[in-house]
Amino acid sequence: QKEVEQDPGPLSVPEGAIVSLNCTYSNSAFQYFMWYRQYSRKGPELLMYTYSSGNKEDGRFTAQVDKSSKYISLFIRDSQPSDSATYLCAMRREDTGRRALTFGSGTRLQVQP
Amino acid sequence: EAGVVQSPRYKIIEKKQPVAFWCNPISGHNTLYWYRQNLGQGPELLIRYENEEAVDDSQLPKDRFSAERLKGVDSTLKIQPAELGDSAVYLCASSLGQGNAQYFGPGTRLLVL
Repeated sequence: QKEVEQDPGPLSVPEGAIVSLNCTYSNSAFQYFMWYRQYSRKGPELLMYTYSSGNKEDGRFTAQVDKSSKYISLFIRDSQPSDSATYLCAMRREDTGRRALTFGSGTRLQVQP
Repeated sequence: EAGVVQSPRYKIIEKKQPVAFWCNPISGHNTLYWYRQNLGQGPELLIRYENEEAVDDSQLPKDRFSAERLKGVDSTLKIQPAELGDSAVYLCASSLGQGNAQYFGPGTRLLVL
């Protein structure tokens, strides 16, 4: 079983919809949580960076972390066709010297105009 | 501010041939990472540098992969000899210190025939 699970999609929504993307994880040592957006044939682009539990909002994007359930979410309001991409969750533990990110496999989002 | 620069963007080689990838991190970022991303998967860490020192190379296949960061700035990742299973996107990322957000380059897409 992978440490981080993410539904691969594709998730198809109409323009203007609210999008919910989710990841679950198994290792309670993860403390830092990130969401990256990756367009086709591009590198991952950092969208949100959060520490421990709680919410963080940035424009149309809201990241939520529920450590008790080992569940993180990214919400996109008023989705646009330009949001069509693969969204990767990533997380990092703090208890060891290892600073590598553990990624989900990504969810492909398609926003239909 | 310039982002992480990688070259080449694409490389096609025959198996058993050598190949090298180059990365220049964001100016001032002392931590540099090499990740490999297989199709439909999230990136996985190969090696992490703190300045010129490789501090996490546990996932680097040392029989055929090597990396260097001689002056603590740009870095080279080499594969010799390449195998069919090495076909993937090789991503370089950098961060300002080991605990901070990682920013990715566009990647080098390698195809081994």
